[in-house]
Amino acid sequence: AQKITQTQPGMFVQEKEAVTLDCTYDTSDPSYGLFWYKQPSSGEMIFLIYQGSYDQQNATEGRYSLNFQKARKSANLVISASQLGDSAMYFCAMREGGATNKLIFGTGTLLAVQP
Amino acid sequence: NAGVTQTPKFRILKIGQSMTLQCTQDMNHNYMYWYRQDPGMGLKLIYYSVGAGITDKGEVPNGYNVSRSTTEDFPLRLELAAPSQTSVYFCASSYGLGQGQPQHFGDGTRLSIL
Repeated sequence: AQKITQTQPGMFVQEKEAVTLDCTYDTSDPSYGLFWYKQPSSGEMIFLIYQGSYDQQNATEGRYSLNFQKARKSANLVISASQLGDSAMYFCAMREGGATNKLIFGTGTLLAVQP
Repeated sequence: NAGVTQTPKFRILKIGQSMTLQCTQDMNHNYMYWYRQDPGMGLKLIYYSVGAGITDKGEVPNGYNVSRSTTEDFPLRLELAAPSQTSVYFCASSYGLGQGQPQHFGDGTRLSIL
């Protein structure tokens, strides 16, 4: 069965430092996609970054990058130069194969950026 | 840009009452989804739809019903509310299967069943 695992319930990082949020996944489907979403305390879900299973290069979006290690089935989110506004819950999600675009979510990592 | 709009934002129900959570999107997305998020947990899929007139169950459909009569609207119906349905409900939409097509989420409905 397809599964997403986020083993870090919470993390602290100092402002301006980089931080890595871990995500491992399990699937037997050769075609899949991995997403990261941010959920601030206000509650909305904000799309950050996407990595396709056939993408040769790691995805980057501004200060966000995805460290994709296919053989290890990991898709870690790296946030560079952390800002106070990065304090939020972060969810890793995997798009299932098939014609539905359904997402399976991990349990999330709560990131606290300290000044 | 409205995106995905959910109403109401908050609601308290008594056990056994029924209600409909509204969701509408103005992005002409074919795919729509309902999730619930319990405290400290990730999102779990309740129902989804790949187009008007087509709906299917997700991971946790019991106690809910949906309909999709138009592309824009995807209401979620709770019949006979139970305390276990206390949660935050998110509606989302996406274009479909294109590479990297993210789901766009509404702001959520916080529902308490007392």
